[in-house]
Amino acid sequence: IVLTQSPGTLSLSPGERATLSCRASQSVSYNYLGWYQQKPGQPPRLLIYDASSRVTGIPDRFSGSGSGTDFTLTISGLEPEDFAVYYCQHYGNSPYTFGPGTKLEI
Amino acid sequence: EVRLVESGGGLVPPGGSLRLSCAASGFSFTSYWMTWVRQAPGKGLEWVANIGQDGSDKYYVASVNGRFTISRDNAKNSVYLQMNSLRGEDTAVYYCARPYDIPAPGRLGYWGQGTLVTVSS
Repeated sequence: IVLTQSPGTLSLSPGERATLSCRASQSVSYNYLGWYQQKPGQPPRLLIYDASSRVTGIPDRFSGSGSGTDFTLTISGLEPEDFAVYYCQHYGNSPYTFGPGTKLEI
Repeated sequence: EVRLVESGGGLVPPGGSLRLSCAASGFSFTSYWMTWVRQAPGKGLEWVANIGQDGSDKYYVASVNGRFTISRDNAKNSVYLQMNSLRGEDTAVYYCARPYDIPAPGRLGYWGQGTLVTVSS
């Protein structure tokens, strides 16, 4: 499965709403799609799994939606610490590929 | 507390070999699949390989299949990545990762800090 993310870069201001898209080349089994946040010099952090379930401890301004081949990560009310790179990943069948990422910048 | 610590990275010439290690602690190691993910400098994430709880199931991305071998030692709570016939495009930070929970091996909820592998003459 090939994952495509859009946009490549998203420029927004704190307080605004961010909408990030992830499209799969074929249907993702069981909606096994995750979203990760990565900041410079740090490993990725899992935010959302199974397309819409939030990891414990992740703020509720992060939400995921979608099914099949089209998925969305929404961040409502951007905080300064949210500016980072976001990756989607499918884990229905090996190999578990990642998308190319969306850079969210101020 | 879940802890994953990678080691073994370094500078290696093209065609050379390197063995990465990941020491795990803070959880029941034998209950989880384990995964290696890499990230070339300034680039995105690439899932590399994973291994099942008893080491019998292994999967690789096509670009490393036949060159890299993932293994684990459950007595030492460690997972390894043996990398042979290294190429310049293998230059990356290599992360060890554990699933968020048991049922889905690909939900990577815990990550180490990574170890840098540089393939260059």
